[in-house]
Amino acid sequence: KAGVTQTPRYLIKTRGQQVTLSCSPISGHRSVSWYQQTPGQGLQFLFEYFSETQRNKGNFPGRFSGRQFSNSRSEMNVSTLELGDSALYLCASSSQGGSPLHFGNGTRLTVT
Amino acid sequence: GESVGLHLPTLSVQEGDNSIINCAYSNSASDYFIWYKQESGKGPQFIIDIRSNMDKRQGQRVTVLLNKTVKHLSLQIAATQPGDSAVYFCAENYGQNFVFGPGTRLSVLP
Repeated sequence: KAGVTQTPRYLIKTRGQQVTLSCSPISGHRSVSWYQQTPGQGLQFLFEYFSETQRNKGNFPGRFSGRQFSNSRSEMNVSTLELGDSALYLCASSSQGGSPLHFGNGTRLTVT
Repeated sequence: GESVGLHLPTLSVQEGDNSIINCAYSNSASDYFIWYKQESGKGPQFIIDIRSNMDKRQGQRVTVLLNKTVKHLSLQIAATQPGDSAVYFCAENYGQNFVFGPGTRLSVLP
């Protein structure tokens, strides 16, 4: 099986812009979670989607949003980018709640 | 590749020695735990998991120990190899979410 695929691998954006990141889960996995990873805060949970519905959400501002499509692929969007949004954004898929997360290699976002 | 956790606790071990990486988890209701390995430029990779009804689980060269009394998890790596150099995270699951620990950097010395 192919693993979790995230695109693009790297992004450079300017403050105030918006960005969309994409994630294709492992085939058959219906749950997709997004995490933000920074050196100072570690891995922070953003949100989780299951069957096109947001099931859980972390403590991030409303500028961070996501969605999931009927084929389980997911996107996350960050609007009005701030310098502090620079991070590695990781997507993970799982077959169901309580089963292991399988991560992609992330999208490295740099905001200048 | 990108650096992960520039100021993480670091464990340095000699090649061939055993490594023990510790993790304190936060929620006594957590019922499922996973250890992940993250190499530079990559996402976290599943190593081994354990459910709360067990206190020990073994894999290939790795063992996870769970002490629910003190909310402590450890990962033991036997005969540590250079390829084991990475950042290791524990993750606890309660409800639908996983919460990750801050990570430990394992450095294998030749």
